[in-house]
Amino acid sequence: DTAVSQTPKYLVTQMGNDKSIKCEQNLGHDTMYWYKQDSKKFLKIMFSYNNKELIINETVPNRFSPKSPDKAHLNLHINSLELGDSAVYFCASSGLAGGLDTQYFGPGTRLTVL
Amino acid sequence: QKEVEQNSGPLSVPEGAIASLNCTYSDRVSQSFFWYRQYSGKSPELIMSIYSNGDKEDGRFTAQLNKASQYVSLLIRDSQPSDSATYLCAVNRGGRTGSARQLTFGSGTQLTVLP
Repeated sequence: DTAVSQTPKYLVTQMGNDKSIKCEQNLGHDTMYWYKQDSKKFLKIMFSYNNKELIINETVPNRFSPKSPDKAHLNLHINSLELGDSAVYFCASSGLAGGLDTQYFGPGTRLTVL
Repeated sequence: QKEVEQNSGPLSVPEGAIASLNCTYSDRVSQSFFWYRQYSGKSPELIMSIYSNGDKEDGRFTAQLNKASQYVSLLIRDSQPSDSATYLCAVNRGGRTGSARQLTFGSGTQLTVLP
C-alpha cells in the first residue's frame, strides 16, 4: 500500500504550457504539503493545506496554484511553465505517529521544462 | 545567513567507521529537529527526530542536540555502504505535536561509505 502517491512520476513539457501534478495520501492525515527540490538538492516548502484550508503559502509565483478537493488530495497546477520550474516536486503529508508529528513524502515528480 | 546550514560534503568514510553529520540553525525559538535520508532519485525518509538537549539513540544512529549552540548532529556508527545517501537536516519551531507543520531544510550532506 502506497502511503503518499503522486502522478505523474516524470513530466517533460515545453515552456509556456500548463501542467498539473496530483497527490493522494491514504494515511488519514489532516495536513498536506508541496515542496520543490532543485538541482542542488535544496528542499523548500511551497504550500501547506490543513483540512482543505491553505495554511502556508511561501513566496511562490502565482503561476503555481494548489487545490485540495478533500483532505486526502492536494494537487498542484502550474501555468505558463518556465525553464526555472524544472525541479523535483514532492508532496508530503503529516500526522501523529506514536505521539510525534511526522512528515511523510511521496515519491516525487521530476518536471523538466524545455 | 541561511536558516539551516549543513556541510555540503561530500563526506566519505570507510565501512565500519563512524560518520558524523553536522547542522546549525539560526532561529533560536526552534523546538524540533529532524534528520532525513534521501537516496539518489528517491524521496526523503525520516530517520531521527529530537526535541530535547542531549543524545537520542536509535540503533546505529545517534542524534545530538545543543540548543544553546544551535547545533544538531547525526552520528552513524558502523557505517555500511547502504548508508550512502544525502542526509537532510530539518528544523521547526513547533513542539512534539504539530511540529512537522513547517519544516526548514538544510541543503544536505552527501555521504559515501566506501567498502
